[in-house]
Amino acid sequence: RKEVEQDPGPFNVPEGATVAFNCTYSNSASQSFFWYRQDCRKEPKLLMSVYSSGNEDGRFTAQLNRASQYISLLIRDSKLSDSATYLCVVNKGTYKYIFGTGTRLKVLA
Amino acid sequence: DAGVIQSPRHEVTEMGQEVTLRCKPISGHNSLFWYRQTMMRGLELLIYFNNNVPIDDSGMPEDRFSAKMPNASFSTLKIQPSEPRDSAVYFCASTGTLDYEQYFGPGTRLTVT
Repeated sequence: RKEVEQDPGPFNVPEGATVAFNCTYSNSASQSFFWYRQDCRKEPKLLMSVYSSGNEDGRFTAQLNRASQYISLLIRDSKLSDSATYLCVVNKGTYKYIFGTGTRLKVLA
Repeated sequence: DAGVIQSPRHEVTEMGQEVTLRCKPISGHNSLFWYRQTMMRGLELLIYFNNNVPIDDSGMPEDRFSAKMPNASFSTLKIQPSEPRDSAVYFCASTGTLDYEQYFGPGTRLTVT
């Protein structure tokens, strides 16, 4: 079983839709959690850190459920520019970052 | 605010040639990472430096790969001799001391023919 698992998608959604991704992790000692966005042929870019209390940044909301060992990302009012691959990343408090394989999102006009 | 800087952005070379990739981390960051990304294997950690010291190089594929960090603002990843299977995108990333937020450079797309 992979340490971090994501549904690869693609998720095809119309503009304006709300879409949610989940990511599960296997190591209960994991301490820090992140969502990154990666566009085709570009570097991963930090979208948001995920805190225990949940956090929101504009149209994006991230949640952490330690009991069930998953994190989620909700995107409201999807834009064409949101089309990308979203990587779930887990850190155990060391230098080792465990990357999920990513979930592809396509927002359709 | 300058992010992580990498050069070259693209490199095409012939098998057997030496390749040197360069990275300048974000100023003030004390941790530096080299990753390799391919479609088949995703993102793989090659080596991690902390305060310019290599801490974990277990991800370096073989002796053909070497990395150095002579000072806090510069690191190199060298492949000698290069092989076609080394073709990938090589990312450098850095983190600071206060959190674990990792920032990536634009990557070097390496093609070995």
